[in-house]
Amino acid sequence: NAGVTQTPKFQVLKTGQSMTLQCAQDMNHNSMYWYRQDPGMGLRLIYYSASEGTTDKGEVPNGYNVSRLNKREFSLRLESAAPSQTSVYFCASIYGTGLSTNEKLFFGSGTQLSVL
Amino acid sequence: AQKVTQAQTEISVVEKEDVTLDCVYETRDTTYYLFWYKQPPSGELVFLIRRNSFDEQNEISGRYSWNFQKSTSSFNFTITASQVVDSAVYFCALSEADSWGKFQFGAGTQVVVTP
Repeated sequence: NAGVTQTPKFQVLKTGQSMTLQCAQDMNHNSMYWYRQDPGMGLRLIYYSASEGTTDKGEVPNGYNVSRLNKREFSLRLESAAPSQTSVYFCASIYGTGLSTNEKLFFGSGTQLSVL
Repeated sequence: AQKVTQAQTEISVVEKEDVTLDCVYETRDTTYYLFWYKQPPSGELVFLIRRNSFDEQNEISGRYSWNFQKSTSSFNFTITASQVVDSAVYFCALSEADSWGKFQFGAGTQVVVTP
């Protein structure tokens, strides 16, 4: 069971370049999330998808777009990268009802992105 | 709106000392869920515990214990007899029932355990 898989693990971009971070989960989870982690700021929600076919903005959506390709996959796109987007990006997923006491966010291993 | 505050940026202890990490939260929901995650130097996020707002029972798991107090909106985490392997960043997080899955994370507390 792979859990949440995100690619790539590392990426260096030049200002203005575009790229897509890929995320896939094999746990039949309904909801998927993209977070960014910056020093001293914890994890902040960029975008989320509560279910297949829906996406919504989180706390820091500017400069990003997302696509919920199917139930398994949720991608994050930077159309024109900026140095302020240098960060560690985490994809996460959860079943989605909250009713089970075992429900929790499962995270991918992260993508270290540097924008020069 | 939900908010999580971890006021301690970094805590340094010597091995075998106890360490307590503070977490204070704000929410208007009567039903909510609190979590602790550990991020070791390797970078992955490891789930430690989930606590529901309607269950104020404290919990102990080995050297880890959690103290949930609704009266003070706190969910503190204690590591007893710390070990070098406990060195990590620890995040407290909150999810309200009305927006289940949208986790609000604290800024994290870096724990450094030296031999």
